[in-house]
Amino acid sequence: DIQLTQSPSFLSASVGDRVTITCRASQGINNFLAWYQQKPGKAPKLLIYAASTLQSGVPSRFSGSGSGTEFTLTISSLQPEDFATYYCQHLNSFPLPFGGGTKVDIK
Amino acid sequence: QEQLVESGGGLVQPGRSLRLSCVASGFSFSSYAMYWVRQAPGKGLEWVAVIWYDGSNKYYADSVKGRFSISRDNSKNTVFLQMNNLRVEDTAVYYCARADQVPAAIAYYGLDVWGQGTTVTVSS
Repeated sequence: DIQLTQSPSFLSASVGDRVTITCRASQGINNFLAWYQQKPGKAPKLLIYAASTLQSGVPSRFSGSGSGTEFTLTISSLQPEDFATYYCQHLNSFPLPFGGGTKVDIK
Repeated sequence: QEQLVESGGGLVQPGRSLRLSCVASGFSFSSYAMYWVRQAPGKGLEWVAVIWYDGSNKYYADSVKGRFSISRDNSKNTVFLQMNNLRVEDTAVYYCARADQVPAAIAYYGLDVWGQGTTVTVSS
């Protein structure tokens, strides 16, 4: 099975900071990757699919890049509403794994 | 407004059964593959099962294979998760979600609409 490893697991940042989260796949997955944001007690929200395509309605400060085995989610200028946990997910082979998550906290 | 609403969660003893439901509204339900994803307390997300838009294919995580069964009723815009022989480790919030079904990939556009979740607690 393909495994996704996110790093870091936790990061502390300030409003206005540029934040980058990495997701590494155990084998090449082309661009079949999504990113989600989850706030406490809420369902995940799709941010990006196909590694770099912004979901409709998602602010442009979010961007995704990568292909193959290494992917990044970047928040160009962190806003108060962005403090949350972020997950990557592989979209094209079962068990459709998620990464372990990255919690973005307030410094 | 595109919406998914889960129900059926609760407290159940190990070895017992539970059936979750997820009702869709605001979109063409029969055009989408439907997913169940769970999240154990304080843990990450885990894909559980998927059913194709027409019910022709179903796939399960190894952790639930042989115990859980996914089904759908397109006339009622509802997807179900029948959970049998429940274990303590099945304790989680269960979310249903949809994904557009295209040839490019299983879920090329990601899981773009999610329900609010229903909590399943398995404990004696």
